[in-house]
Order: sequence, then C-alpha cells, then structure tokens
Amino acid sequence: AQKITQTQPGMFVQEKEAVTLDCTYDTSDQSYGLFWYKQPSSGEMIFLIYQGSYDEQNATEGRYSLNFQKARKSANLVISASQLGDSAMYFCAMREVDNYGQNFVFGPGTRLSVLP
Amino acid sequence: DADVTQTPRNRITKTGKRIMLECSQTKGHDRMYWYRQDPGLGLRLIYYSFDVKDINKGEISDGYSVSRQAQAKFSLSLESAIPNQTALYFCATSDYFRGEQYFGPGTRLTVT
Repeated sequence: AQKITQTQPGMFVQEKEAVTLDCTYDTSDQSYGLFWYKQPSSGEMIFLIYQGSYDEQNATEGRYSLNFQKARKSANLVISASQLGDSAMYFCAMREVDNYGQNFVFGPGTRLSVLP
Repeated sequence: DADVTQTPRNRITKTGKRIMLECSQTKGHDRMYWYRQDPGLGLRLIYYSFDVKDINKGEISDGYSVSRQAQAKFSLSLESAIPNQTALYFCATSDYFRGEQYFGPGTRLTVT
C-alpha cells in the first residue's frame, strides 16, 4: 500500500492565486513527521515546511502553510500568492518508525505550473 | 559553499563496473541518507546512518553498500552496476530533533 499519496500529477495555477497540493499518508505510528519539498527544474531538493504529528497548530513558513488534518491523515500544502518561480515538482514526505527502524517515505510528487 | 556536496555530479559507467558516489556535509549533522530518484516514483531510501557506527538499510538496499567514513562523509557504492540502477542519486543530512533533510545537488548516474 502507498504510504504517501499525491493524487494530482499536475496542477496549474494563475500567478498571484493560491493553490493547494494534496497529500494523504498512511501510518500506524503515533509520532511521525510530515514534510514538503520543492524540486525545481534544476534538480535540487529544497525543504519547505514541517509538521509534527503532535503539533496542534498548522505549520506556516512565509507563503507556505500546511493544512494538517490528523484524523483524515492529510497534510495538504497551501501556497499563497503564487509566483512564476513556484513552478516545480512538489513532494510530500513522512518520517515514521517501522519494524526496521526509522523510515522516510516520499510521495510521487505533483508538478505545479504557474501561469502568467 | 554548499552545505552538502556530492561527487561526481554526472557519471556514465558500464554494466558490471564498480562505482562509488561520495557525499560530504558541513552542516554538523549526525544523520545522513542516500536516496535514488526515478521518474514518477519520487525518492526512495537506499541506506541511512545516524552516526559513524550506525548503518541501516532502507527500502531498496539490494545492490548497494555504504560506508560512513566520518561524521561528515557518507559514500554509496554499487559493486557491480546494472542498467536499472540508472537514476538520480541524492545524499541528504538531518538533525535529530525535527528531521527535515537537507539535500545535496544530486548525482546523475547512467549505466550502459
């Protein structure tokens, strides 16, 4: 079973609009971490935002916020006021502990295209 | 200077050859990781190390080995490369508390 699901292979958004990238996860751990990364066409992986499973407040980092709904096991990324430079692949990831120790799992990604 | 560096950045090798990818970091983190990225599959964890004496297998360790030579250095080896190991390889580091990972620029490996 997929541990991280990103159901949107590609998304388009108009410049200056807000966009939500979906992420659902599957874990039986009580303590876990959720992350979002950005990968522009140049290939590097850039950390955007973190949400701990015990954090009661949704994480925010500048124009990025994470809509964390623990009961639904979803951790959607919201980008406000999209910019052309936001065009990239976005990966949702989870850190959990399984039978073999710590495990880090990435979703397949969503390609976001910002239109001028 | 970059906090996490990888060498080489690009490599083409032949089936059956041994190859080593190297990673160095100046972030002072104890934890280091190797991932591979294939199109449409996101990143998959190969090995990780929480300190110099700790090595752990990830999701896809078969065909790979690692060496943690020092806190700052973590190498990935392919003992006998095969074409389906053609991929983009990333090294990453993290601290203990939150665990967000900081990635190197990646090594594009092609096995012919």
